[in-house]
Amino acid sequence: DTAVSQTPKYLVTQMGNDKSIKCEQNLGHDTMYWYKQDSKKFLKIMFSYNNKELIINETVPNRFSPKSPDKAHLNLHINSLELGDSAVYFCASSQELAPSYEQYFGPGTRLTVT
Amino acid sequence: GQNIDQPTEMTATEGAIVQINCTYQTSGFNGLFWYQQHAGEAPTFLSYNVLDGLEEKGRFSSFLSRSKGYSYLLLKELQMKDSASYLCAVDQTGANNLFFGTGTRLTVIP
Repeated sequence: DTAVSQTPKYLVTQMGNDKSIKCEQNLGHDTMYWYKQDSKKFLKIMFSYNNKELIINETVPNRFSPKSPDKAHLNLHINSLELGDSAVYFCASSQELAPSYEQYFGPGTRLTVT
Repeated sequence: GQNIDQPTEMTATEGAIVQINCTYQTSGFNGLFWYQQHAGEAPTFLSYNVLDGLEEKGRFSSFLSRSKGYSYLLLKELQMKDSASYLCAVDQTGANNLFFGTGTRLTVIP
């Protein structure tokens, strides 16, 4: 059973389009995250949610809008895609928001904007 | 400012020991994580340190010195499957808000 799953695995789209990435975790965790990993492999947090509530919103363009319909899901919608949005997007979850809890990462979604 | 420094690349021989260093300057500190990431895959958790000293877990150990802003990951009895990127990350706020370094790509050669 996959602990953290994301769909789709690959996404190729044109500039200006709107797209969504879905994430689900079956670990019963309270906290979920979205990360962006650029071409230089730098992994940067974008958002975190705890029990469906937004906790962290790093400096991310408002074209990116996360939605958490329930504790087990955190989806990412991106409007008006730009070339610079091309990256691998990872969803992750942890048991709680507190320190020391390891994060479990999904397999990633490779987004290519042409 | 905040910064995490790691060597970009390292090469080591199968069966040997390798130490990957990480120095950090962050706005806050609530623990330091090491993650392993194989090419094309997701990061996976290796270790967490919040107090000074060495934490040992099988072939992998992690060390922390908070006063020096320094950590290292020690890999013993290297295997080919240890070829991967190793990411150092600091929890700055205590809310599991991880600030990652750019990672060290380790290549293990026969």
